[in-house]
Amino acid sequence: QLQLQESGPGLVKPSETVSLTCTVSGGSVSSGTHYWTWIRQPPGKGLEWIGYVYDTGSTNYNPSLKSRVTISLDTSKNQFSLKLRSVTAADTALYYCARGLAATSFDYWGQGTLVTVSS
Amino acid sequence: QSALTQPASVSGSPGQSITISCTGTSSDVGGYNYVSWYQQHPGKAPKLMIYEVSNRPSGVSNRFSGSKSGNTASLTISGLQAEDEADYYCSSFTGTITWVFGGGTKLTVL
Repeated sequence: QLQLQESGPGLVKPSETVSLTCTVSGGSVSSGTHYWTWIRQPPGKGLEWIGYVYDTGSTNYNPSLKSRVTISLDTSKNQFSLKLRSVTAADTALYYCARGLAATSFDYWGQGTLVTVSS
Repeated sequence: QSALTQPASVSGSPGQSITISCTGTSSDVGGYNYVSWYQQHPGKAPKLMIYEVSNRPSGVSNRFSGSKSGNTASLTISGLQAEDEADYYCSSFTGTITWVFGGGTKLTVL
């Protein structure tokens, strides 16, 4: 059974960079047509797609975040990561990692990690 | 990339059927059969309920069904049960190899 687990700092100051990692177990990040994806949810609000890294290493991002986001793959650790630069209070959210199954859907999700942006 | 449009809330009594709509454009919902639906209970991660417009993953009740007409997709839940009370989100693949979510719909079982 595939499992995903997010990890990260929890609290970040405005203008800093937040780095999150998703550790995948029960499967490999380098097998199959999978889009390893980050999705976020501000408190009390809906889901927002952030971007993905494909298992070849190619990436694509939400146009609204593209200038501040980098997603990368570490096959040696079976992990993928998110870096979000120049954060503001608007970036406070629960950040989920998920597996995109080809173009069809997100079939496995992590539990989410809360990132709070505050001085 | 605008969010898909869902009603903020729907409600129904146990045993009844409800339908949640998800409206996009020809660049997302209308252009691809890659609409999916997710159920999210409070404090939990979203759970995939429907993929490719109308397919159910293994283990999802057949009370959940999906359809699409033009730029609008729909999720129907029949035989409503108390455990169905949750937030529901639609999502669609888009032409720029990105994805977009709906704003979410809160389902209340009366």
